Amino acid sequence: NAGVTQTPKFQVLKTGQSMTLQCAQDMNHNSMYWYRQDPGMGLRLIYYSASEGTTDKGEVPNGYNVSRLNKREFSLRLESAAPSQTSVYFCAGQGQLNQPQHFGDGTRLSIL
Amino acid sequence: AQSVTQLDSQVPVFEEAPVELRCNYSSSVSVYLFWYVQYPNQGLQLLLKYLSGSTLVKGINGFEAEFNKSQTSFHLRKPSVHISDTAEYFCAVSDFGNFNKFYFGSGTKLNVKP
Repeated sequence: NAGVTQTPKFQVLKTGQSMTLQCAQDMNHNSMYWYRQDPGMGLRLIYYSASEGTTDKGEVPNGYNVSRLNKREFSLRLESAAPSQTSVYFCAGQGQLNQPQHFGDGTRLSIL
Repeated sequence: AQSVTQLDSQVPVFEEAPVELRCNYSSSVSVYLFWYVQYPNQGLQLLLKYLSGSTLVKGINGFEAEFNKSQTSFHLRKPSVHISDTAEYFCAVSDFGNFNKFYFGSGTKLNVKP
């Protein structure tokens, strides 16, 4: 079972470049999430999608956009990357709303 | 909004010793509570969850946690740790009013020494 799959696993960008991080799940989750993880700060929610066709801002949405392409896929786009966006990005899915979120293995993004 | 506090950023412990990782959250409204573990260069894996019922919750790898509503705490315990338990542990809270929002603590790095 693949679960939640993120691509790519690693990426290095130059300031100002754009990039899309991909996330796909095969667990029939209704809700999907994008987080960033920075040392000593835990996970911070960037955007989430409660269902296909809807997206909402989380705690740190500035500089990012998202697309819920279908039930399986939820992508995160950096239009003009900045060094402050160097982080590890995690995608997660959730079935029913009282259930845990299931995480991908992360994308490690460095912006020079 | 909830805030989740994990007071200990690092916990060193010797193998076979007991350990407690502390988690406190801010709001007294009804909540769902979770502990996740993260091994190096991996995503988060669910250790255990509290949704309702018994306040003592057992999870994988011999971990357990106790929900204390009056103290708004959900501390994680293991009676005897192994080297393989070395990892970072995150507490997460979701409240009944906003199920889509998971609030994570800043994490506790457990370092088990031989």
